[in-house]
Amino acid sequence: GAGVSQSPRYKVTKRGQDVTLRCDPISSHATLYWYQQALGQGPEFLTYFNYEAQPDKSGLPSDRFSAERPEGSISTLTIQRTEQRDSAMYRCASSLFGTLQETQYFGPGTRLLVL
Amino acid sequence: SQELEQSPQSLIVQEGKNLTINCTSSKTLYGLYWYKQKYGEGLIFLMMLQKGGEEKSHEKITAKLDEKKQQSSLHITASQPSHAGIYLCGADGPRNAGNNRKLIWGLGTSLAVNP
Repeated sequence: GAGVSQSPRYKVTKRGQDVTLRCDPISSHATLYWYQQALGQGPEFLTYFNYEAQPDKSGLPSDRFSAERPEGSISTLTIQRTEQRDSAMYRCASSLFGTLQETQYFGPGTRLLVL
Repeated sequence: SQELEQSPQSLIVQEGKNLTINCTSSKTLYGLYWYKQKYGEGLIFLMMLQKGGEEKSHEKITAKLDEKKQQSSLHITASQPSHAGIYLCGADGPRNAGNNRKLIWGLGTSLAVNP
């Protein structure tokens, strides 16, 4: 597509429920990133993909968080047994090759609220 | 680890006034990015700076990277209400084994422009 899209834009869920967020990157981009942004903070790195490979999961805050990109295009971020501290904006970005000093293009984000 | 410090945290200016936002790194910057964030929208890429002393302009926004590559400034001339938003600086994090990078972020500067 022309830009990075994310869905849903807003998600309200109850504590303990599972949620899945979706990211559709720019179609020619090999690399896809997930970030978590708390209110008043900058985006914090969660994980990234090169096509379907996931070389780095170091930013995932716990084993309740997982991400997939099975066909190297669309990616999902799943949070199991959500907790109130998971409430944040989740941002997806993509870049052409993922090399150093390459620009990442961001989607509009999914704002998650856990009650 | 590398940290980015932005100043000021927030700024309110009268339309037509000039303003400057600063981003200071604890380590040498090898790629410095400026993004703008508006409520409900994604992060919008503004500019990327790589070389010491580099300066780039787009419309009324000018970004500079100092010679020592540890500080960048974003200058807006004759500000307009459309310039309002949160300005984020980001920098390349450490290289990983797959030659990919994470962006390290400042906390952002919130700008309001009064008509």
